[in-house]
Amino acid sequence: EVHLVESGGDLVHPGGSLRLSCAASGFNFENYAMHWVRQAPGKGLEWVAGISGGSVTSYYADAVKGRFTISRDKSENTLFLQLDSLRDEDTAFYYCVKGREIVLVVYAMDSWGQGTLVTVSS
Amino acid sequence: SYILTQPPSVSEAPGKTATITCGGDNIGRKNVHWYQQRPGQAPVLVISDENDRPSGIPERFSGSKSGNTATLTITRVEAGDEADYYCQVWHSNTAHWVFGGGTKLTVL
Repeated sequence: EVHLVESGGDLVHPGGSLRLSCAASGFNFENYAMHWVRQAPGKGLEWVAGISGGSVTSYYADAVKGRFTISRDKSENTLFLQLDSLRDEDTAFYYCVKGREIVLVVYAMDSWGQGTLVTVSS
Repeated sequence: SYILTQPPSVSEAPGKTATITCGGDNIGRKNVHWYQQRPGQAPVLVISDENDRPSGIPERFSGSKSGNTATLTITRVEAGDEADYYCQVWHSNTAHWVFGGGTKLTVL
């Protein structure tokens, strides 16, 4: 069974930084694309970033490009999201999500973690 | 940017059929995925690639698409189907994943 457990969410001041982690188990981690999707309280889903299996390709939403960095560690089966230059509008639950295939394009996202809350406020 | 448009809300009585639409430019040419999010829970994939149901998703859930509209159909609606539903596509021109705004299904 696929298990995705996020951690690292916290209260941070505008301009600050955080690093989110996602511990993955129950599948061959390196063979699947992984994503971060966020949801502001009471709002809809917003894709943030994705990385292919083998870390060949990564893409970012315009709202976070240049501020956030997605990465993965195959030795630890862990997905990361480095959040820099945080803004109030980055406040959201951040979900770690597994793709259905090794490429991060086209194919659905078939397993979601429970999310970790990032709050940006002064 | 590519925009997916969903109705904010849909209501249906138990046992009836609920349809949730997702509008987008030439969406009929894209792989469309649908997610269910019950209150307080993480999203769950219910339909992928237009009409493929993951293991554990009831046959009552189905998808279709044509032209500029994709549709999620839920037959014999149950109280447990009450949730927010989101459509999603990959937009290759911008290399972005796009979600619709979500539709709240209320079971009357």
